[in-house]
Amino acid sequence: DAGITQSPRHKVTETGTPVTLRCHQTENHRYMYWYRQDPGHGLRLIHYSYGVKDTDKGEVSDGYSVSRSKTEDFLLTLESATSSQTSVYFCAITENPTTGYTFGSGTRLTVV
Amino acid sequence: RKEVEQDPGPFNVPEGATVAFNCTYSNSASQSFFWYRQDCRKEPKLLMSVYSSGNEDGRFTAQLNRASQYISLLIRDSKLSDSATYLCVVINQAGTALIFGKGTTLSVSS
Repeated sequence: DAGITQSPRHKVTETGTPVTLRCHQTENHRYMYWYRQDPGHGLRLIHYSYGVKDTDKGEVSDGYSVSRSKTEDFLLTLESATSSQTSVYFCAITENPTTGYTFGSGTRLTVV
Repeated sequence: RKEVEQDPGPFNVPEGATVAFNCTYSNSASQSFFWYRQDCRKEPKLLMSVYSSGNEDGRFTAQLNRASQYISLLIRDSKLSDSATYLCVVINQAGTALIFGKGTTLSVSS
């Protein structure tokens, strides 16, 4: 959907380097989420935000930090990338979690 | 017990077949349930919400059994375009985030 975009779409980075992924929405939705998807694990929640500057940890938050300084942007940072963080990262948005999410197209991150 | 469990499949069916997917969830307090569809190398997309009374959307029927903590998805008259992975989804206890099953893969052949 045009209302949510992720950047970059693909990235290859070296172990130990910092990486920031961006999620941008034009829907003015309150909630934003970062998930990672890996074979055999499905989608797992990393962090989410329920408002500007309001964030909470998910199931697999170790090694990741997030920031939301304005409604439309939710940034995911890997402070020092490791090979175990090679994954597909999806951002999602919703105004109300009980109605489901809309996902971005994903970012494919490879850490070498 | 994992929070959301699904049979991973794959389910291989011919066009026109009826196929059913099942899912169990561990949190009896969950209030919202969904089925998402994910095509290969694409993002998940909401297929349908699941309501207590059961609901239907064209060829798709979703059922919820709260007593057994069980959700199902029935696809009738399968089409080639139904080939995808189907994700069973449950809201977390706080009502703030969705928990996804690992998905069931469906392959419809002609």
